Amino acid sequence: DIQMTQSPSSLSASVGDRVTITCRASQSISTYVNWYQHKPGKAPRLLIYVASTLQNGVPSRFSGSGSGAEFTLTISSLQPEDVATYYCQQSYSNTWTFGQGTKVEIK
Amino acid sequence: EVQLVESGGGLVKPGGSLRLSCSASGFTFSSYKMYWVRQAPGKGLEWVSSISSSSSYRFYADSMEGRFTVSRDNAKNSLFLQMDSLRAEDTAVYYCAGPLTTSDAVDIWGQGTMVTVSS
Repeated sequence: DIQMTQSPSSLSASVGDRVTITCRASQSISTYVNWYQHKPGKAPRLLIYVASTLQNGVPSRFSGSGSGAEFTLTISSLQPEDVATYYCQQSYSNTWTFGQGTKVEIK
Repeated sequence: EVQLVESGGGLVKPGGSLRLSCSASGFTFSSYKMYWVRQAPGKGLEWVSSISSSSSYRFYADSMEGRFTVSRDNAKNSLFLQMDSLRAEDTAVYYCAGPLTTSDAVDIWGQGTMVTVSS
């Protein structure tokens, strides 16, 4: 199975800061990476698909980049409503895998 | 309104069985591959299973292969997950999910149903 490794596992940043989360795949997966935001008690929300395409309705402060085995999710200006856990997920293989998650908090 | 609604969760003893259901509305269910994803308490998201639109292809995470069976009834806009030989580590919120915007990700999710495996 393809392993997805996220870093950091958690971070604390100030409102307005630029935040970057990294995801590394155990093999090359082209651009088949998606990013989700998950808040407690709610369903996950798709933010970015195929590495860099912004899902409809997602604020433009979210962006994704990367290809091959290394990918990043960037929040250009952190807002209080962005407090959540973020997951990368590969759809390169028929058996999907998620990263372990990055918990984002406000300092 | 596009909606997925799970049901069937509950408390079950180790070794027991449970069948989860997911009712879809607001979109052409029969056209889409569908998925189950779970989250154990205090843990991250974990992909469980996928089923193609016509049920021709089904895939499972390694730890669920042979114990879980995914199925669907396109005439009733419903997705199912039969879970047998349940273990304590299967305790989780189970979500059904589907891809409307892109075939490479899931962008519609149910609210989840809790499964607790405990004696």
